[in-house]
Amino acid sequence: AQSVTQPDIHITVSEGASLELRCNYSYGATPYLFWYVQSPGQGLQLLLKYFSGDTLVQGIKGFEAEFKRSQSSFNLRKPSVHWSDAAEYFCAVVPSGGYQKVTFGTGTKLQVIP
Amino acid sequence: NAGVMQNPRHLVRRRGQEARLRCSPMKGHSHVYWYRQLPEEGLKFMVYLQKENIIDESGMPKERFSAEFPKEGPSILRIQQVVRGDSAAYFCASSPPNSPQETQYFGPGTRLLVL
Repeated sequence: AQSVTQPDIHITVSEGASLELRCNYSYGATPYLFWYVQSPGQGLQLLLKYFSGDTLVQGIKGFEAEFKRSQSSFNLRKPSVHWSDAAEYFCAVVPSGGYQKVTFGTGTKLQVIP
Repeated sequence: NAGVMQNPRHLVRRRGQEARLRCSPMKGHSHVYWYRQLPEEGLKFMVYLQKENIIDESGMPKERFSAEFPKEGPSILRIQQVVRGDSAAYFCASSPPNSPQETQYFGPGTRLLVL
């Protein structure tokens, strides 16, 4: 069965600083990969997704993620964090080919300080 | 195009009561998924439905929980005889018929509190 690991439970960055959130997955083949963001009391919003092709994907709100097959990683990055980026971020995977359920990581809470 | 709608947004029940959570998928979406998020945890898959069919219910507790997605109307997640451990946020997601699980769009969730 596939699994997703987000090793950082909580990250604090200063406004304007760069950000990288880690995500590692365990699966035999290349899955479909997603990053979602959840603001307090809200649902999940899709930031970006990777299915195939260019391993650097661009998303909304200035986020990007890079798929590295050799490291089984799909880390999320942003060059300059804004206070409004404070939220919880979830990495998710779906095995490619046919239906299989989505597996979410446990999330990383991002705090942005002035 | 309205997004995924869930209601109620907040639901309070006493132990032993029933909870009914409703989800209206995005227009044109025929696949619905339910997830549960316990405090300080990620989302856990519960069930995947298409119109009038349960495709995968491997994440549903064996007792007290049921889900349906009728031909007309919203999908319903029903929890009978609720217990305190059922307190959680329940999210619904939907996806279009031609890319079932690839991109799911989430509703705002229903936060269930069992007293």
